[in-house]
Amino acid sequence: AQKITQTQPGMFVQEKEAVTLDCTYDTSDQSYGLFWYKQPSSGEMIFLIYQGSYDEQNATEGRYSLNFQKARKSANLVISASQLGDSAMYFCAMREREYSGYSTLTFGKGTMLLVSP
Amino acid sequence: GAVVSQHPSRVICKSGTSVKIECRSLDFQATTMFWYRQFPKQSLMLMATSNEGSKATYEQGVEKDKFLINHASLTLSTLTVTSAHPEDSSFYICSAEAEASTDTQYFGPGTRLTVL
Repeated sequence: AQKITQTQPGMFVQEKEAVTLDCTYDTSDQSYGLFWYKQPSSGEMIFLIYQGSYDEQNATEGRYSLNFQKARKSANLVISASQLGDSAMYFCAMREREYSGYSTLTFGKGTMLLVSP
Repeated sequence: GAVVSQHPSRVICKSGTSVKIECRSLDFQATTMFWYRQFPKQSLMLMATSNEGSKATYEQGVEKDKFLINHASLTLSTLTVTSAHPEDSSFYICSAEAEASTDTQYFGPGTRLTVL
């Protein structure tokens, strides 16, 4: 079973509108972390936001917020006031701690966001 | 802060040659670095976890003799693709953990390898 599921291969939004990118996850761990990364066409992975499994409040970073619903195992990314520069691939990822003590990230398949003028 | 560099950004090599890719954490010390591979229009696949001063931990299906990883210092990890073949052509990205409390990984800009 996939650990991270992003059901939207592509999303379109108009400039200045808000958009929600979906992410659901599957884990039996009590302690885990959820991340969102942005990958523009240049290829670099840009860290956007982090949510810990024990964090009671939803994480926010500027125009980015994470809608964390633990019971539903969802961690949707909300981008407010979209900008043209937001057009990119967005990946949801989960950190679990391996038996060895190392933490590894598992990525979803990504959602391509296109922002139109 | 939390800047990771990779060198080279692009490399083209002949089949059968070896290619070394460097990953450096510029403004922090990284005990653990990670190497990923990404095919076009696909997600990142973890290849190995690199720890300073010890052997790398490879993911299932990744040939450790083909993808040699050395983590010589707290700021440098290298990936050497030995006897490269065209099927090794891919985008290779490294990352480093900067924050122990969140295990946030910061990524390098990636290296696009093309094997002719």
